[in-house]
Amino acid sequence: SAVISQKPSRDICQRGTSLTIQCQVDSQVTMMFWYRQQPGQSLTLIATANQGSEATYESGFVIDKFPISRPNLTFSTLTVSNMSPEDSSIYLCSVELGLKNIQYFGAGTRLSVL
Amino acid sequence: GENVEQHPSTLSVQEGDSAVIKCTYSDSASNYFPWYKQELGKRPQLIIDIRSNVGEKKDQRIAVTLNKTAKHFSLHITETQPEDSAVYFCAASKNPGTYKYIFGTGTRLKVLA
Repeated sequence: SAVISQKPSRDICQRGTSLTIQCQVDSQVTMMFWYRQQPGQSLTLIATANQGSEATYESGFVIDKFPISRPNLTFSTLTVSNMSPEDSSIYLCSVELGLKNIQYFGAGTRLSVL
Repeated sequence: GENVEQHPSTLSVQEGDSAVIKCTYSDSASNYFPWYKQELGKRPQLIIDIRSNVGEKKDQRIAVTLNKTAKHFSLHITETQPEDSAVYFCAASKNPGTYKYIFGTGTRLKVLA
C-alpha cells in the first residue's frame, strides 16, 4: 500500500466560494481518482487524473465546476468551484498501485457549504 | 451504462453468525471485483478482491465467490464479530481498460453482540 495524505480533512465554506483539496502520495503513481460520497451514499467517480494529460470527467461532472490539477506523479488537487449547499459531501482521492488495478483511498475531505 | 447492484442495503446478524452480501454487474467485460469496508468516518479499506480467472477466494473469515455466467459475486463473512460492523461496498472494473471502479450502493452490516 501507500501513504495517501489528503487535506483539508474538513471545511465549512460559504456559498459561492471555492475550495481546493490536495492529495499527496508517498510514491509515484500513474492513476489518481477523485470521488464524491454524499451522506449515507456510495462512492461516485468524479474524474480520473493522469499525470501529463487532462483529467477525464464522468457523466454529470464538468471541468468548470471541478477543475483538477496533476502536476506530477505524487500530487493532485481537486477544486470545488462556486459552491452551493448541494456540494456538501465527502470528497476522496484514490490511487492505483502496482498496475494491479487496486485502488487505495485517502481519508477524505468532509465539506459543508452554508 | 455500466451498473453494479448490491443487496441487501442493511443486514443485521447475531455475533457468530454468517453474513452474505451479493452484487450483480452489467458489463460482461468486467474482470476485477474488489470489496471495501468503510467504518463510520473512515476511508474505504480493501478487504478482499477476486479476478475473473478464479471462482472463489478466501482470507480467514472472509471469502468472495464469482459467477461469471450469471454476472454476480458475493462476499461471505463467517463467525461475525462486532468489529465487522461497517458499510461494505462491492465494485467492478475492467483491467486493462478504463481501470475505473463502478461501486455498488453499499450494505450496512450490524453485528449484534
